[in-house]
Amino acid sequence: EVVMTQSPDILSVSPGERATLSCRASESVSSNLAWYQQKPGQAPRLLIYAASRRATGLPARFSGSGSGTEFTLTISSLQSEDFAVYYCQQYDKWPPWTFGQGTKVEIK
Amino acid sequence: EVQLVESGGGLVQPGGSLRLSCAASGFTFSTYWMTWVRQAPGKGLEWVANIKQDGSEIYYVDSVKGRFTISRDNAKNSLYLQMNSLGAEDTAVYYCARVDDNTGYLVYPYYFDYWGQGTLVTVSS
Repeated sequence: EVVMTQSPDILSVSPGERATLSCRASESVSSNLAWYQQKPGQAPRLLIYAASRRATGLPARFSGSGSGTEFTLTISSLQSEDFAVYYCQQYDKWPPWTFGQGTKVEIK
Repeated sequence: EVQLVESGGGLVQPGGSLRLSCAASGFTFSTYWMTWVRQAPGKGLEWVANIKQDGSEIYYVDSVKGRFTISRDNAKNSLYLQMNSLGAEDTAVYYCARVDDNTGYLVYPYYFDYWGQGTLVTVSS
């Protein structure tokens, strides 16, 4: 099973600042990685797939990068609606499809 | 507009059973893999099961094998999860989601592009 580890667990950022979230896979998953955003009381929302492709309608301030075992989600200028929990998920070696534990982005 | 609406959650005693349903609309249900993902209270996301378009391929997380059964009825645009021998560890919000790939051919069960709002399953005496 591929273990996904996200860092940090909590990221405190001021509105307008850049946020950089990391995701590491226990073995290579090529570019088969997705990112999701989840706000309190809501379902997750797909942000990024194939490590760097934005989902339909996603603002350009969100970008994904990386391949192999190291991945990054960057939010270039945090807006109030971006404060949420973010999960990475690998879909290279399945089953199982595995998620990271999540990074909470909170207001500093 | 893609819509997924789960139902069937509730309070069940340990050892009991529950059947979740997911009604799909706004897309051609029969052409997509579908999945169930759960989230225990205050915890992260855990994939539970996937089912191919025609039901010919099914996968489960180890912790539910032999207890849960995923199925679908393409004529009714519906996805199901039959859960038996429930334990406290199964307490979670259960989400159904559509599975997509980036080939355009919907061949591979890759990532989850649309999610329902979830239904809460509580296992407690």
